[in-house]
Amino acid sequence: DVVMTQSPLSLPVTLGQPASISCRSSQSLVYSDGNTYLNWFQQRPGQSPRRLFYKVSKRDLGVPDRFSGSGSGTDFTLKISRVEAEDVGVYYCMQGTQWSFTFGPGTRVDI
Amino acid sequence: QVQLVESGGGVVQPGKSLRLSCAVSGFIFSNYAMHWVRQAPGKGLEWVAVISSDGNNKYNVDSVKGRFTISRDNSKNTLYLQMNSLRAEDTAVYYCAKGQSSGVIGGIDAYWGQGTLVTVSS
Repeated sequence: DVVMTQSPLSLPVTLGQPASISCRSSQSLVYSDGNTYLNWFQQRPGQSPRRLFYKVSKRDLGVPDRFSGSGSGTDFTLKISRVEAEDVGVYYCMQGTQWSFTFGPGTRVDI
Repeated sequence: QVQLVESGGGVVQPGKSLRLSCAVSGFIFSNYAMHWVRQAPGKGLEWVAVISSDGNNKYNVDSVKGRFTISRDNSKNTLYLQMNSLRAEDTAVYYCAKGQSSGVIGGIDAYWGQGTLVTVSS
């Protein structure tokens, strides 16, 4: 199985300041069709997960542009340019390239 | 709009069975793979199973192999998860989620249900 790791696991942030979360996979996430199936999800307290990005950097509808996704191969990053209060929650990366699909352990973002 | 509504959760004794359902509306169900993802209390997300749009390809995580079966009825726009031989460690909120495409590869789309809680306890 592909193992997903994230760092840090806990990220205290300051409103208006940038934040960055790293996600690494134990194997390349490039699929045979050339796509890299790496997703980012946000889970606010008491809510279902919400997808932020798919295929590394494709932003979902309604996701503020202060969020960005980047990376390739086995190394990926989620960045928030200026943290807002509504960004509090847990962020997960997930690989959809090789089954059994796997999530990272999550990064808790707190103000 | 897109809606996914899970049902069937509850309290069940170890070794017993439960079937979860996920009723879908707002998109062409038969065109997309579907997933189950679970989250134990206070823990992270764990992918459980995926089924292709035509139901011919199914995969699940090792920890539920031989016990859980994912299925779908495209005529009813409904996804199922049959859970047998339940264990305490299966206690979790179970979410259904829309797949990215018709096939199993690609991951999970933006649409998730609200989840249904399964508690395995004597």
